[in-house]
Amino acid sequence: EPEVTQTPSHQVTQMGQEVILRCVPISNHLYFYWYRQILGQKVEFLVSFYNNEISEKSEIFDDQFSVERPDGSNFTLKIRSTKLEDSAMYFCASSEQAGGNTDTQYFGPGTRLTVL
Amino acid sequence: AQTVTQSQPEMSVQEAETVTLSCTYDTSENNYYLFWYKQPPSRQMILVIRQEAYKQQNATENRFSVNFQKAAKSFSLKISDSQLGDTAMYFCAFTRDDKIIFGKGTRLHILP
Repeated sequence: EPEVTQTPSHQVTQMGQEVILRCVPISNHLYFYWYRQILGQKVEFLVSFYNNEISEKSEIFDDQFSVERPDGSNFTLKIRSTKLEDSAMYFCASSEQAGGNTDTQYFGPGTRLTVL
Repeated sequence: AQTVTQSQPEMSVQEAETVTLSCTYDTSENNYYLFWYKQPPSRQMILVIRQEAYKQQNATENRFSVNFQKAAKSFSLKISDSQLGDTAMYFCAFTRDDKIIFGKGTRLHILP
């Protein structure tokens, strides 16, 4: 069964460094998402992406964050200058149809980001 | 505000018993998806079951079933014949526009 993959599984970085989290969505999916889960808290939406542009973003997704689909398979989340509070689990998700209210998003296994 | 409320932060049941996790949500939309996701200690998010709001029939997936009450905006998950591997955090969620809104989760312990 097709699945969303993410690399790395765990990333440790120093405060102020740039990190890039990578995702390979399910191949026939057109809509891509990033979510974040701080330890012990609920999963929060960061951004949705369709047709090479951001569809929607949350207030968490400030200028420090960016997303990109550099080729036909990868979908990346970049944090320009990491802060301690960016430590979290980051989940990538994808869906086949309009994200809207009509389709299921499938989640990757997550990347645990630790900022020291 | 469009939210999801899971009123049981933590539950424990004996193996083989049936357990029901409650969830209520608030939305002004008429068509949406509802989900239960399981998050084991590995922290991976695993889709357990989904329900399309326009379908009256409750979704079932093997030992997992839901009780969907659209008017009451209630979406509970029933796990029958619970197994040790069901121990996990369970999140109720629904779709709104381009995103999924999650509840805070219920931590479920299955005891041997």
